[in-house]
Amino acid sequence: GAVVSQHPSWVICKSGTSVKIECRSLDFQATTMFWYRQFPKQSLMLMATSNEGSKATYEQGVEKDKFLINHASLTLSTLTVTSAHPEDSSFYICSARDLQGQANYGYTFGSGTRLTVV
Amino acid sequence: QKEVEQDPGPLSVPEGAIVSLNCTYSNSAFQYFMWYRQYSRKGPELLMYTYSSGNKEDGRFTAQVDKSSKYISLFIRDSQPSDSATYLCAFGGGSNYKLTFGKGTLLTVNP
Repeated sequence: GAVVSQHPSWVICKSGTSVKIECRSLDFQATTMFWYRQFPKQSLMLMATSNEGSKATYEQGVEKDKFLINHASLTLSTLTVTSAHPEDSSFYICSARDLQGQANYGYTFGSGTRLTVV
Repeated sequence: QKEVEQDPGPLSVPEGAIVSLNCTYSNSAFQYFMWYRQYSRKGPELLMYTYSSGNKEDGRFTAQVDKSSKYISLFIRDSQPSDSATYLCAFGGGSNYKLTFGKGTLLTVNP
């Protein structure tokens, strides 16, 4: 079945540093990637949508200069949290969609990354 | 009115019980309806997908959609301790393929 590998699964960083999270589709081509943030006991909130080779589309209220998304290939998308602050601590999850929307009806989720900024 | 409403629980039931989880929605543009299971600190796992009103069954799980009332449900029969997780309803539709999630219901099945 379709698999999305997300790394790292957890990371602790110092305030002011940057952190990169990778999301790879292992057995299908991900034409679209979605990045979510989830706070404790809250739902998944979509941060941005990226299409391979295009600039990401950010949801209202999400700072595009702070959350840099790169989707340079059909199997890899990265989210970089720049100048991280404690309020950026959260659970970040990616989701990949293949062109035909066949794998998992078009939504295959990574296992998530728990970011803690100290 | 919120686009999606889901009772966050928590819901605690004994093993073997029938569990009913529900969501309401207000966006008539939603065309497909999904239920995900999420274990602690893991990504969501698709349980059920449907796009029409009525019932869809898969093993111990039944998804029910009532488009006229904008209401969806997930039933779990013979619940097991391994079903203990957060259950998220999700809605999609439109050309942008975005999903809108409920807040999730935390379920605990006690042995």
